[in-house]
Amino acid sequence: DTGVSQDPRHKITKRGQNVTFRCDPISEHNRLYWYRQTLGQGPEFLTYFQNEAQLEKSRLLSDRFSAERPKGSFSTLEIQRTEQGDSAMYLCASSPYRSVNEKLFFGSGTQLSVL
Amino acid sequence: DQQVKQNSPSLSVQEGRISILNCDYTNSMFDYFLWYKKYPAEGPTFLISISSIKDKNEDGRFTVFLNKSAKHLSLHIVPSQPGDSAVYFCAASAPRYGGSQGNLIFGKGTKLSVKP
Repeated sequence: DTGVSQDPRHKITKRGQNVTFRCDPISEHNRLYWYRQTLGQGPEFLTYFQNEAQLEKSRLLSDRFSAERPKGSFSTLEIQRTEQGDSAMYLCASSPYRSVNEKLFFGSGTQLSVL
Repeated sequence: DQQVKQNSPSLSVQEGRISILNCDYTNSMFDYFLWYKKYPAEGPTFLISISSIKDKNEDGRFTVFLNKSAKHLSLHIVPSQPGDSAVYFCAASAPRYGGSQGNLIFGKGTKLSVKP
């Protein structure tokens, strides 16, 4: 069990630039989630996939955000035309989805700073 | 409006004593609750969970209590160790009522400091 892997760990970008993050879930976990955490807050749900299907998106996910999981394995989260308010920790999590009550396994996150 | 509330931003406890972290929720549809621990620069790590059909779940030094009528849960750590120093998040979901499994609603966290 290698855990959930996220890349990069840190990203500094200028306002208006596009950024893309990658998440590799625990192998054979068919559910993958993206969360965002800002300073002093708990993680907030953004979206999740079951295999390659994106099943739910939060209203936090504006049209500048897009997530993909093309082959049901790794996932990417892209933010277009970044804004300073996008500065946050972006967390990826996965779960095996064997039961109704699932615990999520989180990666270490990508810390985004928009200057 | 926060559906999961952790009203104590921080807690300091002496090593060997009990740590009690509290969490309140407002949505009566929540039926599964989890506690996560987070160290700086790491992602949250699952600690313990409880379903609404139970009022207590124990795992080693960690016990979670659920009071559904009060919409309150608490995490007890006994005995507390310096390595337990971290931010603890309470989270809730409502999978049985169509809430997305994995759409966890988190509190803001409580920073626990265990002093040697």
